[in-house]
Amino acid sequence: DAKTTQPPSMDCAEGRAANLPCNHSTISGNEYVYWYRQIHSQGPQYIIHGLKNNETNEMASLIITEDRKSSTLILPHATLRDTAVYYCIVSRMDSSYKLIFGSGTRLLVRP
Amino acid sequence: EAQVTQNPRYLITVTGKKLTVTCSQNMNHEYMSWYRQDPGLGLRQIYYSMNVEVTDKGDVPEGYKVSRKEKRNFPLILESPSPNQTSLYFCASSRNPLSIGYTFGSGTRLTVV
Repeated sequence: DAKTTQPPSMDCAEGRAANLPCNHSTISGNEYVYWYRQIHSQGPQYIIHGLKNNETNEMASLIITEDRKSSTLILPHATLRDTAVYYCIVSRMDSSYKLIFGSGTRLLVRP
Repeated sequence: EAQVTQNPRYLITVTGKKLTVTCSQNMNHEYMSWYRQDPGLGLRQIYYSMNVEVTDKGDVPEGYKVSRKEKRNFPLILESPSPNQTSLYFCASSRNPLSIGYTFGSGTRLTVV
């Protein structure tokens, strides 16, 4: 599975959009981009995933560049409850359907 | 409420005393998996199961066993726990990990002394 690079930490103001970048320059054609988050030491929470096209759901939007070498997770109106570690994971989801979690980005939402 | 339930949430035990961490999901998911989380190492897959009676090793299976006798339950068994198994453990399930994503349990913090 391709390696991902994320900034170790970011912050944003409550109510503003949070844009979390992820670099995955070695991604291959059959690998998906997944985003999860972990609030404190709770279980990780699935946010969104995509292959080529941009995706949006009730939680967030995922923007994948045309060359697929990077992506951005967008939380449109961040709240204090969005403070968490956000993980960008690239996986082809082989038979083990394994997620490889890196160190993620620690997002702090400021009041 | 759709959820993955792990028990216990916290456990302190002694080296060598067999223990079981239970995991149960109420979503009729075929796929279940166990991860452990350690500082600096992230989450690593221990075992996974594609369906009833189908289990396989993940990246760090040594010292662990699992069973999948029924779809909803996927217990993690430590036959002879050692201090290096002190960790935060998560169970996860999914109907289709490729297209839906996982639901994780709340975690079990295990300390082996």
